[in-house]
Amino acid sequence: QLQLQESGPGLVKPSETLSLTCTVSGGSISSSDYYWGWIRQPPGKGLEWIGAIYYRGTTYYNPSLKSRVIISVDTSKSQFSLKLSSVAASDTAVYYCARHVAYSTSHADYWGQGTLVTVSS
Amino acid sequence: QSALTQPPSASGSPGQSVTISCTGTSSDVGGYGYVSWYQQHPGKAPKLMIFEVSKRPSGVPDRFSGSKSGNTASLTVSGLQADDEADYYCSSYVGRSNLLFGGGTKLTVL
Repeated sequence: QLQLQESGPGLVKPSETLSLTCTVSGGSISSSDYYWGWIRQPPGKGLEWIGAIYYRGTTYYNPSLKSRVIISVDTSKSQFSLKLSSVAASDTAVYYCARHVAYSTSHADYWGQGTLVTVSS
Repeated sequence: QSALTQPPSASGSPGQSVTISCTGTSSDVGGYGYVSWYQQHPGKAPKLMIFEVSKRPSGVPDRFSGSKSGNTASLTVSGLQADDEADYYCSSYVGRSNLLFGGGTKLTVL
C-alpha cells in the first residue's frame, strides 16, 4: 500500500523559507505513471494546489505561487520536497503531499496525512 | 484565479439523495473533462471519490456519482449514510498546467 509522509518544521518565521519533505513508501517514486504534488489548506478554509513534479525533475507550479515555490525530487531517497520563500501569516496551512495520476494536474489518489505549518514570529 | 463555486452547505436525511454543484467557466469545468471530487472528514486528508467527471476509484461505493453539464459539475450521493457527513471539494484542470479547487461544501446528514 502506497504511503506518503510529510515532515518538516511546524513553525516558520515571517519572511523566511518554509521547507517540507514528503517520503514515499510502498511504491516507486520513479514510475512514469505519476506526478508528485503539494496541496495546502489554511485552517478552516479550502484546498489550494501548489504544484507538482515528475520523477525526472520537470516541475509545474500554481501561477499565483510560482515566484516563491521550488519543488524538487530525490529519487534515491524516494522523497520530494517543497520550498516556499518569503512566507507570511497567510501561508499558515496544513500542507499535504499527494500523488497525481498520469499528469501534474490530474486527480490525486493518494495523500499524506498533512502537516500544519504556522507562520509566526 | 478564483476558486470554483460550491454551495457552502448541503443536507439530507439518511437514505435520501443529495447533489452538490461545482460551477466554473468554459475555461475550466466547461472546457475540460478533468473534474474530480474529494471527501474530507474533520482532521483527515481528502479522499478521492470521483475523477474525470464521473469515474469512481476502486473501493468507492456506487452511491457516489458525478456528472457535468456545461460549466457546472455535480456530485450526487444516494442512500445517504451517517458517515457521508463530511466536507466535499471539487477540482478542475484550468489549463496552463494549473489545478483549481472549489471552496468546499459541508454535507450534513440530518
